Amino acid sequence: AQSVAQPEDQVNVAEGNPLTVKCTYSVSGNPYLFWYVQYPNRGLQFLLKYITGDNLVKGSYGFEAEFNKSQTSFHLKKPSALVSDSALYFCAVRDWGSGAGSYQLTFGKGTKLSVIP
Amino acid sequence: NAGVTQTPKFQVLKTGQSMTLQCAQDMNHEYMSWYRQDPGMGLRLIHYSVGAGITDQGEVPNGYNVSRSTTEDFPLRLLSAAPSQTSVYFCASTPGLSGNTIYFGEGSWLTVV
Repeated sequence: AQSVAQPEDQVNVAEGNPLTVKCTYSVSGNPYLFWYVQYPNRGLQFLLKYITGDNLVKGSYGFEAEFNKSQTSFHLKKPSALVSDSALYFCAVRDWGSGAGSYQLTFGKGTKLSVIP
Repeated sequence: NAGVTQTPKFQVLKTGQSMTLQCAQDMNHEYMSWYRQDPGMGLRLIHYSVGAGITDQGEVPNGYNVSRSTTEDFPLRLLSAAPSQTSVYFCASTPGLSGNTIYFGEGSWLTVV
């Protein structure tokens, strides 16, 4: 079974400082990894994904994430946080080696990011 | 391009009532799914469909029913609403397996009293 852990319920960071939102995963095969962002009362918006290739993935709004296979991690990062980045962030994994079940995307519980002016 | 459209946005139901959450996508995606979002639990898969006429259960299917008569539509039915079904529901679609991005609707806020 696949699983995702986001160890921090909330992350607070000052505007202009770098931010990191942590994610670790567990799959039996090879992972597809995703980050989504959710603003209040809205749906989930896709930020970035790792499929294969370069371990550093760049996405929307200046976010990037680094895939680390040995640590089974996929942390989300941004060099300089904005107040408008304040939202709920979800990491998700799909195990592409598990046939039809690989369609199923497993989400972490979410991390609330607050950027303080 | 409308993407994934869900209706209604907000709904209040009485215990025991039934209702249908509508979901439509205009991207000709094969795969559609329904998730529920509860505080501190992330998103959990209710049902999914890999194509017209084919549906399967996800992690939390009890109390819900789905059908997929067309590629575009994937309604979620609550058979007899219970307070435990108070949640935010998201419909999603993706072109297929592998690394394709999943696209989400804007959500349906359901309260069962």
